This record gives sequence, structure tokens and C-alpha cells, in this order.
Amino acid sequence: GNSVTQMEGPVTLSEEAFLTINCTYTATGYPSLFWYVQYPGEGLQLLLKATKADDKGSNKGFEATYRKETTSFHLEKGSVQVSDSAVYFCALSHTGRRALTFGSGTRLQVQP
Amino acid sequence: GAGVSQSPSNKVTEKGKDVELRCDPISGHTALYWYRQSLGQGLEFLIYFQGNSAPDKSGLPSDRFSAERTGGSVSTLTIQRTQQEDSAVYLCASSPSDRAGTDTQYFGPGTRLTVL
Repeated sequence: GNSVTQMEGPVTLSEEAFLTINCTYTATGYPSLFWYVQYPGEGLQLLLKATKADDKGSNKGFEATYRKETTSFHLEKGSVQVSDSAVYFCALSHTGRRALTFGSGTRLQVQP
Repeated sequence: GAGVSQSPSNKVTEKGKDVELRCDPISGHTALYWYRQSLGQGLEFLIYFQGNSAPDKSGLPSDRFSAERTGGSVSTLTIQRTQQEDSAVYLCASSPSDRAGTDTQYFGPGTRLTVL
């Protein structure tokens, strides 16, 4: 079956530090890959996505590249801010299973 | 435009009671999903509706759980004879069509269910 594995948190960084949150997946065929973010007290919202191999999704300074050879979709940001503190979820879906399969989530805490 | 809305935002019930949770998707979205978020299990898929097709119920954890979608819009998730392990945040999401599994799903704020 499908699965998503992401690094456990919490990840604690100082403001302006470089961020990487690792995500790897197992799926049949060619899934679409997503990063969702949940800010404190708010609902889930899409951060970025990529729908085919070698695509790069980007938004708000965050980037992730769909790497089929390593089945990965690592999230990166060059300089984090306190406002980026949230829980980040990696997820996948595809034509055979349109519902999202989520990773366990990674809590990011950015300190001033 | 309006996003996905859910009601109630919080529900406290006693073990053994039935509860109904409501979801209003974004207008025009034909795909609707229910998930639940709990500390022990993370984010789990429950059920998926696409247009007039038969729903994908493969994520429902037991036959106490059911859902319907009337007129291709509003959906109700019903939990019968609630148990303490049903305590979680129940999330609804919708997307335009999602036939290819590429569409963004837009999530509602969730209903926090507490079973005493």
C-alpha cells in the first residue's frame, strides 16, 4: 500500500536558519506529492505540490523537488522566520487512491 | 469565495450516543473527503465522494461510521454508539474533481469530537 515517512520532530531552529524536512514515500505508479501546513489554531492548508517527476513546487520561500529515483519530496527553506512555526505534513495521492495518504507530521519551532 | 465549512466546531458527547457532523464543501467542488486527526493515529482517510459515483468507504474504521452526501453538496458523517477512541478532530476537504489525483484538497476547520 501507499505510505509516507517524514522526519520526526520537533525541529527547533533559530530565525534565518536553513530548514530541511525529509519526506520519502512508497506508492504504486506515479503519485502526486504535497506539503500541507497547519499553523497553531488553524486548519490544514496546502503549502506546495508537484504532480510529476522532477517538478519543483514552491511557495512562500519553501521548495520541494519530486525525486522519483529516491522516492523523496524533501521540504526546504533558505531562511526560516518565527511565523513559519507550524506542523508540516507530507502527503501523496494518485488516480488509484485519490484520498491523501499523510506522513505523521513534523513540528517546526523557530526561535527569535 | 467561501471555503469549506464544518459544524459544529466542538462536540462533547457521552459514550454510546450517536453524533452527526456536517460539512459544506466549496461550491462547485465535486470531490469531498472525510479524514480524522488524532494524537495516536495522525491523519487518517475515512471516506471519499466523487460526483454521483459510489463512495470509497475503504477508510471507515467500523460499521458504526457512515456518511452520506445529499444533492452532490453537503455531507454528513454519522458515528453511532460512540466510543472513547472516536475522540478526534474530524476534517472535511473538497476539491474540484480530482479524477487524476492531482487536485489540491481544501480543508475545513474541523469538528473536535470528545467522547466522555
